[in-house]
Amino acid sequence: DTGVSQNPRHKITKRGQNVTFRCDPISEHNRLYWYRQTLGQGPEFLTYFQNEAQLEKSRLLSDRFSAERPKGSFSTLEIQRTEQGDSAMYLCASSLPTGGLTREQYFGPGTRLTVT
Amino acid sequence: GQQLNQSPQSMFIQEGEDVSMNCTSSSIFNTWLWYKQDPGEGPVLLIALYKAGELTSNGRLTAQFGITRKDSFLNISASIPSDVGIYFCAGDLNQAGTALIFGKGTTLSVSS
Repeated sequence: DTGVSQNPRHKITKRGQNVTFRCDPISEHNRLYWYRQTLGQGPEFLTYFQNEAQLEKSRLLSDRFSAERPKGSFSTLEIQRTEQGDSAMYLCASSLPTGGLTREQYFGPGTRLTVT
Repeated sequence: GQQLNQSPQSMFIQEGEDVSMNCTSSSIFNTWLWYKQDPGEGPVLLIALYKAGELTSNGRLTAQFGITRKDSFLNISASIPSDVGIYFCAGDLNQAGTALIFGKGTTLSVSS
């Protein structure tokens, strides 16, 4: 399978705990995106990497959220001191580096976070 | 922030019927994308549109990029049970392709 992969698929945590999610993009894609999706809504943009550089962050990305892509390949999204409002599906997407196809973003299966 | 208005919110149709859904925005978009999402899964890209007036097909799916660049529609012909799911439109404001803005989705139910 050469699509975007995400781990874990499901995470249940207690309020106040830290969690980390991993995303492995499609191998030839150098752009990587994180989105959050809550029930009944479309995905909302969180942040974007081109190679290892984090180029854009949404105001939704509070100080408790941090994303990294240290070698320009896989990425991690960490949430510190989780709150119940962080419960959502966290989606990763990737896209090709140049031309019009940069706008075609391919999504992984997501990580469902439940904060109790 | 920017929002896409997607309609209808839900549709209940019989197998074999054609379906039409659309998205509108107050902003001009450079790209329109249509995705389908099954429960518990990530969105799957169906069709990408890059030019105003562009009409693109993918099997039984046809989508168009509105002339004003503020709207797009998706048609599904001869629906089948596996068409069930949530359909999202997404727009890209930037030429470079960064953050996508999504509509709230159209939930499609197909009865056989």
